Amino acid sequence: AQTVTQSQPEMSVQEAETVTLSCTYDTSESDYYLFWYKQPPSRQMILVIRQEAYKQQNATENRFSVNFQKAAKSFSLKISDSQLGDAAMYFCAYRSAFTMKTSYDKVIFGPGTSLSVIP
Amino acid sequence: DVKVTQSSRYLVKRTGEKVFLECVQDMDHENMFWYRQDPGLGLRLIYFSYDVKMKEKGDIPEGYSVSREKKERFSLILESASTNQTSMYLCASRREGQGYEQYFGPGTRLTVT
Repeated sequence: AQTVTQSQPEMSVQEAETVTLSCTYDTSESDYYLFWYKQPPSRQMILVIRQEAYKQQNATENRFSVNFQKAAKSFSLKISDSQLGDAAMYFCAYRSAFTMKTSYDKVIFGPGTSLSVIP
Repeated sequence: DVKVTQSSRYLVKRTGEKVFLECVQDMDHENMFWYRQDPGLGLRLIYFSYDVKMKEKGDIPEGYSVSREKKERFSLILESASTNQTSMYLCASRREGQGYEQYFGPGTRLTVT
């Protein structure tokens, strides 16, 4: 069974600095998707970034980028030029690329990392 | 923009009450989910629906049931609420197919006393 681990329950970063959130996962599959979701306090969870395992290039979305190391099963999120609005709980998630309509293709979430941004 | 709404942000119920949590999405998504979120445990899947009237159990279905009579609406039912069901409940929807992300509702914080 797949598992997702986030070893940092809490992290903090100074405004305008860079922070990296760690995520490791365990799977025997070769094709899958990885996601980082952000859940601001009292607000809806939203997708930050997505990585397809078959793509070697690391995904980037503005100030957010990932370091995807497939062999090491590592998927870290780097936030550059941190802003106060980046303060949130961040969840790493795994989804198999194999899907069947009649059975749910499970998304495995890590326990989350709570990020604080210090002004 | 995809919009997923949940019927209540906060709910307080007594032990033994029947509780209904409703979720509505407006993007014609085939898949809908109910999760429970607890500190340190991440999100745990309660039930999944891949089509109208179709459902699959997730990791922690005990004590819960669901209903999906219309494509846009997915309801979670606690038949007899217990204190260990005090939690944050998140609904999500997703387009069917590879690689699509989930869209989440704002959550319902349920307290059972």
